[in-house]
Amino acid sequence: AQSVSQHNHHVILSEAASLELGCNYSYGGTVNLFWYVQYPGQHLQLLLKYFSGDPLVKGIKGFEAEFIKSKFSFNLRKPSVQWSDTAEYFCAVITTNAGKSTFGDGTTLTVKP
Amino acid sequence: SQTIHQWPATLVQPVGSPLSLECTVEGTSNPNLYWYRQAAGRGLQLLFYSVGIGQISSEVPQNLSASRPQDRQFILSSKKLLLSDSGFYLCAWAGLAGVNEQFFGPGTRLTVL
Repeated sequence: AQSVSQHNHHVILSEAASLELGCNYSYGGTVNLFWYVQYPGQHLQLLLKYFSGDPLVKGIKGFEAEFIKSKFSFNLRKPSVQWSDTAEYFCAVITTNAGKSTFGDGTTLTVKP
Repeated sequence: SQTIHQWPATLVQPVGSPLSLECTVEGTSNPNLYWYRQAAGRGLQLLFYSVGIGQISSEVPQNLSASRPQDRQFILSSKKLLLSDSGFYLCAWAGLAGVNEQFFGPGTRLTVL
């Protein structure tokens, strides 16, 4: 069975601080990796995704993530957060053979102005 | 462009009553479809997913069932609701045989009294 673990439940940062949210997954086969974001009162939306190729992927709003296969990790980073980045962030994997998805428990990011 | 609809947006039902939540997708063909329950601090729990008409995979044994009577219609049901069925239910679709990003509906807030 696949699983996704997000290390931080709630992160509080000041504006301009750097962000790194941890994500580790467990699965014996091939997966595609995703980070989603849910801003207050809005739908879940895609932040970035990794299928293959360059393990460093860039997404919207200055976010990036690095896939480290040996560590089964896909950590999300942003060099300088803004107040508008306050949201809940979800890491997810989808198995490429069945399209089955698994989400982490989410990390709530609060950025103080 | 593709859109995903869920209804109703909110629902209050007594314990023991039946449930039917509907999700429809427009603008795409043969999507993978998903039902999730989102709980605060617990991320998105995959309940059911479907790769085609009449094909349903159940992820968590529970009081709910799902059906896909048409290509772009996904229904979540229960014959008798329990208090523990209260929650926020999200429908999502994905293209490319389900290995691509998922697009989420607005959700249904279900309260069982």
